Amino acid sequence: DADVTQTPRNRITKTGKRIMLECSQTKGHDRMYWYRQDPGLGLRLIYYSFDVKDINKGEISDGYSVSRQAQAKFSLSLESAIPNQTALYFCATSDRTGEPQYFGPGTRLTVT
Amino acid sequence: AQSVTQLGSHVSVSEGALVLLRCNYSSSVPPYLFWYVQYPNQGLQLLLKYTSAATLVKGINGFEAEFKKSETSFHLTKPSAHMSDAAEYFCAVSGYGGSQGNLIFGKGTKLSVKP
Repeated sequence: DADVTQTPRNRITKTGKRIMLECSQTKGHDRMYWYRQDPGLGLRLIYYSFDVKDINKGEISDGYSVSRQAQAKFSLSLESAIPNQTALYFCATSDRTGEPQYFGPGTRLTVT
Repeated sequence: AQSVTQLGSHVSVSEGALVLLRCNYSSSVPPYLFWYVQYPNQGLQLLLKYTSAATLVKGINGFEAEFKKSETSFHLTKPSAHMSDAAEYFCAVSGYGGSQGNLIFGKGTKLSVKP
């Protein structure tokens, strides 16, 4: 079984809809991260969490929110999806040293 | 502040040829440097990392990278390309000791391998 799982793997939604992407990990790591990947732009950090009570904004947090329900679970929400949030979203985890980060398989989100 | 520049968004080599993917970084603190590979429709997989030990770092699948402080570079090489190396490669930097654990990624270099 994969150490970092993401659900759903693919999602198509309409503008204005609320959507949640979920991430679970079995690595026992404290730190979890959400990134988005856009062609030609690499990966950009949306939010990160050092533990259940410590959540921080990343480079591009506007329009997103997160919830760390447990050490192993970190979800990303789009409160009102817009087309420019169409992207590939990755969850990652790391131990307290911060590196390396282990990535999930990604969620491809399309907002129409 | 930290940043990463990957020179060349696309690199094409013939099978058996040398692979050289370039990465330059900027960091105000001693950096930790990473190369990740992304195969089609998959997540990112760590190839190798530099964390202030040996400057020549060996990774998986025959890849290696050399940290050159004077050139602020961390180029990725492989002596002989294989068809299975076709993927997108990302260089990333974080601050010493993980600096909050946040990675700054380059924009990626897509490697094509011709038979």
